[in-house]
Amino acid sequence: RKEVEQDPGPFNVPEGATVAFNCTYSNSASQSFFWYRQDCRKEPKLLMSVYSSGNEDGRFTAQLNRASQYISLLIRDSKLSDSATYLCAVNDNSGYSTLTFGKGTMLLVSP
Amino acid sequence: NAGVTQTPKFRVLKTGQSMTLLCAQDMNHEYMYWYRQDPGMGLRLIHYSVGEGTTAKGEVPDGYNVSRLKKQNFLLGLESAAPSQTSVYFCASSPPQDQETQYFGPGTRLLVL
Repeated sequence: RKEVEQDPGPFNVPEGATVAFNCTYSNSASQSFFWYRQDCRKEPKLLMSVYSSGNEDGRFTAQLNRASQYISLLIRDSKLSDSATYLCAVNDNSGYSTLTFGKGTMLLVSP
Repeated sequence: NAGVTQTPKFRVLKTGQSMTLLCAQDMNHEYMYWYRQDPGMGLRLIHYSVGEGTTAKGEVPDGYNVSRLKKQNFLLGLESAAPSQTSVYFCASSPPQDQETQYFGPGTRLLVL
């Protein structure tokens, strides 16, 4: 099985802090990378795609490091509403677009 | 658009019973997926479909069957439920122009006693 590994956390940070998560993947042929957000007892929702050149969306920045086979997610100025589990997903580069998900990193933002 | 919907939201089964989980999407998506999510295991792909009438096995297909008779529906069947199939089941779909961006349904919580 192609592996996607994440630190499960939880990462406990105060409001306003900057926090970063990494996700390592084993399939060097993977071409597409994503970060999903999952709130407690809810479905995962796409947060952002990760491009080779990096991707920024407001307070969120995603980076790809192909040489070391990991992707990262940086959250600046953390909000209480950022508390969630963050899943990384990597395509398996097979003929069809199936994704392998990491087990997720839990973030808890406190007042 | 309702997006991706799943029926039922919650179900309790006894070992050996059968049931079908329904996933429906109104976004005209070609690809549909069934995942299970267990504590400490993350999301694991059970089966998927790349179009009406086609299905394929994912990472953990044993004990499950699927059918995609209509483009908008993807059914997941458990012929003889086992306690190991207690899980949260998520369906997802993706559009033809962006096959790797998956949209998830709200999930079905299944408890097998």
